[in-house]
Amino acid sequence: GAGVSQTPSNKVTEKGKYVELRCDPISGHTALYWYRQSLGQGPEFLIYFQGTGAADDSGLPNDRFFAVRPEGSVSTLKIQRTERGDSAVYLCASSLSHRLPYGYTFGSGTRLTVV
Amino acid sequence: KQEVTQIPAALSVPEGENLVLNCSFTDSAIYNLQWFRQDPGKGLTSLLLIQSSQREQTSGRLNASLDKSSGRSTLYIAASQPGDSATYLCAANTDKLIFGTGTRLQVFP
Repeated sequence: GAGVSQTPSNKVTEKGKYVELRCDPISGHTALYWYRQSLGQGPEFLIYFQGTGAADDSGLPNDRFFAVRPEGSVSTLKIQRTERGDSAVYLCASSLSHRLPYGYTFGSGTRLTVV
Repeated sequence: KQEVTQIPAALSVPEGENLVLNCSFTDSAIYNLQWFRQDPGKGLTSLLLIQSSQREQTSGRLNASLDKSSGRSTLYIAASQPGDSATYLCAANTDKLIFGTGTRLQVFP
């Protein structure tokens, strides 16, 4: 596609529920990144993929968070047993390759609200 | 660990003024530095990307400079317009992008 697509744009869920957030990167981009942005803060790194493998997941806050990219294109961020503190905007970005210094292109984000 | 700081946190100016937004980073071993614009409730729009070997990049009324040795970048906005009102974020890439907290800019007519 022409840009990075994230769905849904908004998600409201109850505390304790499971949610999945989807990211469709730019076609041909091998690197994919997930960030989380809380109100008034800059985006914080969660995880990135080069191809199908998670190359760096050091930003995932705990084991309730997990992400996959099984075919090296679309990625899903999965959050189990959601907590109110998980409420934030989840941003996805892609880049032509992580090994080369290309810029990132971001999607519009998914606003997650846990009630 | 890379840390990125942006000053000022907020800025309100009349239309037509020339502006300088500041960004500093602690680890000078960066691949590149990227400036973004974020409108309320929206995603990030890339404005300028400066590679580590470059000193500056220009796009229209925007000019970004990079001084790796001192760990600083500045975004210069010429002849500001109300449509420039947004939050401006800088991000340093030392393996992945690390963001500052942004400068919230308001340009009033």
